[in-house]
Amino acid sequence: AQKVTQAQTEISVVEKEDVTLDCVYETRDTTYYLFWYKQPPSGELVFLIRRNSFDEQNEISGRYSWNFQKSTSSFNFTITASQVVDSAVYFCALSGARLNFGNEKLTFGTGTRLTIIP
Amino acid sequence: NAGVTQTPKFQVLKTGQSMTLQCAQDMNHEYMSWYRQDPGMGLRLIHYSVGAGITDQGEVPNGYNVSRSTTEDFPLRLLSAAPSQTSVYFCASSYSGTGEVPYEQYFGPGTRLTVT
Repeated sequence: AQKVTQAQTEISVVEKEDVTLDCVYETRDTTYYLFWYKQPPSGELVFLIRRNSFDEQNEISGRYSWNFQKSTSSFNFTITASQVVDSAVYFCALSGARLNFGNEKLTFGTGTRLTIIP
Repeated sequence: NAGVTQTPKFQVLKTGQSMTLQCAQDMNHEYMSWYRQDPGMGLRLIHYSVGAGITDQGEVPNGYNVSRSTTEDFPLRLLSAAPSQTSVYFCASSYSGTGEVPYEQYFGPGTRLTVT
């Protein structure tokens, strides 16, 4: 069974501070995919990134960066120089490879509510 | 492109009533799914479909039915509503492709359901 743990339920930081959201996962698959989604106050879910289990290079996109460490089963998300618009609930999710029927089902963590204080 | 649309946006039901939440996508995606979001529990998969005529249960399927007669539509039926089904429901779709890579899911705006 797959499991995603986001131990930080809520985080508040002052604007311009850096913040890291933790994600720890469990899976028995050798090939798997990790995702981050953002849910702003408006409610819709927005895709941020997908990473496969064979690519441990860190990824950077503007102020966002992701650190994937297979050794600790973690896929952490860092926002640099946070802004008020970053306030949202962030979900980490895990999927298997599309090898068998239904293997691409997403398992979500419980989310981290991030509040950026102006 | 409308993306993934859901109707209604809000609904109040009495215990025991039935209803159908509608979901449609215009991106020709093969994979569609329904989730419920409850406080502190993240999103949990109810049912999913990998193409017209093919559906399967997710993590929390009890009390819900689905069918997929077309690529575009994936309705979710509540058979006999219970207060425990009070939740926000999200429909999602994604491209399947031919390889093993699961593509990102596109989510609808959600339906907020209250069962009294």
